[in-house]
Amino acid sequence: GAGVSQSPSNKVTEKGKDVELRCDPISGHTALYWYRQSLGQGLEFLIYFQGNSAPDKSGLPSDRFSAERTGGSVSTLTIQRTQQEDSAVYLCASSLDSSYSGEQFFGPGTRLTVL
Amino acid sequence: KQEVTQIPAALSVPEGENLVLNCSFTDSAIYNLQWFRQDPGKGLTSLLLIQSSQREQTSGRLNASLDKSSGRSTLYIAASQPGDSATYLCAANYGQNFVFGPGTRLSVLP
Repeated sequence: GAGVSQSPSNKVTEKGKDVELRCDPISGHTALYWYRQSLGQGLEFLIYFQGNSAPDKSGLPSDRFSAERTGGSVSTLTIQRTQQEDSAVYLCASSLDSSYSGEQFFGPGTRLTVL
Repeated sequence: KQEVTQIPAALSVPEGENLVLNCSFTDSAIYNLQWFRQDPGKGLTSLLLIQSSQREQTSGRLNASLDKSSGRSTLYIAASQPGDSATYLCAANYGQNFVFGPGTRLSVLP
């Protein structure tokens, strides 16, 4: 595909369950970002991957959140023991340029609802 | 602390008007600044990217300017159309961290 894809598009889960969100970046893009957008809020940076380097996890809100990127391509964001405040739209973006000058391209997002 | 603000928070105009959306950032050490639009329930669509060394970028009816020293960027929309109705977000790139503004919600009335 030509763009960033994310799956699932919607996820409803019960409090306390674990969830996995997937992001497929644009082919060849070395940088990958995860953001969270809560209802009525701006985008909150979560984590950044650049190639095979160790990710910048400075934005992760708690140790229940983790992410990995396999083979420098697909990324999975995992939320353990979900809480109601985790309900939000989780957006993934990728960028071609590794020199911090690149344009970000976003996926459609995964809407997570924790009951 | 790196913060981005946008003014106005919301704007409603009749079709055909020229618009100005404002974005301010507290830390001027940006690599670039990017403008996006977001339609309800959708992801973000990139509109314009201005590198820190540039003063402006143009795409069709859109023109974005950047004054890095004063920490400001402006998005001009010429001859607005109902299809321009969306939320417009600016994002300051600080390297490994993009800081987004809260957005300006634009409604263009036919």
